[in-house]
Amino acid sequence: DIQMTQSPSSLSASVGDGVTITCQASQDISNYLNWYQQKPGKAPKLLIYDASNLETGVPPRFSGSGSGTDFTFTISSLQPEDFATYFCQQYGQLPYTFGLGTKLEI
Amino acid sequence: QVQLQESGPGLVKPSETLSLTCTVSGGSVNSYYWSWIRQPPGKGLEWIGYIHDSGRTRDNPSLRGRVTLSLDTSSNQFSLRLSSVTAADTALYHCARHGARGWLEHWGQGSLVTVSS
Repeated sequence: DIQMTQSPSSLSASVGDGVTITCQASQDISNYLNWYQQKPGKAPKLLIYDASNLETGVPPRFSGSGSGTDFTFTISSLQPEDFATYFCQQYGQLPYTFGLGTKLEI
Repeated sequence: QVQLQESGPGLVKPSETLSLTCTVSGGSVNSYYWSWIRQPPGKGLEWIGYIHDSGRTRDNPSLRGRVTLSLDTSSNQFSLRLSSVTAADTALYHCARHGARGWLEHWGQGSLVTVSS
């Protein structure tokens, strides 16, 4: 299985800050990497697919980049509703695997 | 707006079979891939498997052939059966619809299943 190493596991920030989360794949997955947001008790929400494509309706302060094994997810200016857990997912090879998540806290 | 809702028993005894159903509203189960994903308490997400209305299925080898996936177009639902459960199968189980490829575009909120006698 492809291991996804996500860091940091938690992050403290303030409204207006920019933050970056990384995911590293144990093998080359091209750009088959997606990013999700999850809030407690809610369904996960797709933010970015294929490493850098913004899902419809997602604000442009969210962005993603990378290919191969190294990927970055950035929120350019945190809003109060962005405090949540974020995780990556690869689909370059079955089984799909996920990063362990980054909890973004105030 | 597509919505997914998981349903099923919240408590299953060890060695028995876990059964969950995902009901899809606001869209059809036809022509999409549908996945099950789970998250044990305090742990990361694990993909269980997917099914397509063509009948194509794949599941995670880590589950050692215990997974059965099915899809009912008449009721717009798809289902998961996981046999021979143990405490390690205790988790929040999500269903999800794929996008054009391997991203999970719509998710259910999840159904907590506890395996205990």
